[in-house]
Amino acid sequence: NAGVMQNPRHLVRRRGQEARLRCSPMKGHSHVYWYRQLPEEGLKFMVYLQKENIIDESGMPKERFSAEFPKEGPSILRIQQVVRGDSAAYFCASSPGWNSGDEQYFGPGTRLTVT
Amino acid sequence: DAKTTQPNSMESNEEEPVHLPCNHSTISGTDYIHWYRQLPSQGPEYVIHGLTSNVNNRMASLAIAEDRKSSTLILHRATLRDAAVYYCILRDGGDKIIFGKGTRLHILP
Repeated sequence: NAGVMQNPRHLVRRRGQEARLRCSPMKGHSHVYWYRQLPEEGLKFMVYLQKENIIDESGMPKERFSAEFPKEGPSILRIQQVVRGDSAAYFCASSPGWNSGDEQYFGPGTRLTVT
Repeated sequence: DAKTTQPNSMESNEEEPVHLPCNHSTISGTDYIHWYRQLPSQGPEYVIHGLTSNVNNRMASLAIAEDRKSSTLILHRATLRDAAVYYCILRDGGDKIIFGKGTRLHILP
């Protein structure tokens, strides 16, 4: 059973460009979470999605950031008009359900560098 | 999610047991205690979780105080690969994880 997959692993964008980060959850998992880790800082929750629904986007910046998890295909985190402050590691996690005991399985992350 | 308190850093010698403490005095009856760790340049990794009873798995043991206001993650025989940041987290429901600063564990060869 393959783990959570993220691509690309490294992404370099110039200021003003768009960044698209992809996450394929573990097989059978319908819950996806995105987290961001700024350099030398802790992990911060961004958004929680189920298939075709955004459940909680309380950690998502109000502008330029969007996320989706379509019926078919990976979850996408999209950052428009990137700025240097968006440089960070973005981690995706998936879980099989919504129980307190369900662990989240994390992917290896996408490291975004904005030049 | 309720708050947890962990030491900023700890050191241990290789091949010795490590006890990582966590205080969670405001824990509610429905909060599960989860531990995750993050190795350098990797995503977080689930370690173990429990509710009331002590738990063991292939990675570690979790000892939960009788009043549930504290817990201890036990690595029985630390290796250099166990050097990581360890996060103690309370979860009531399966939504987002609120990560604190965690404990940075250094393993001395």
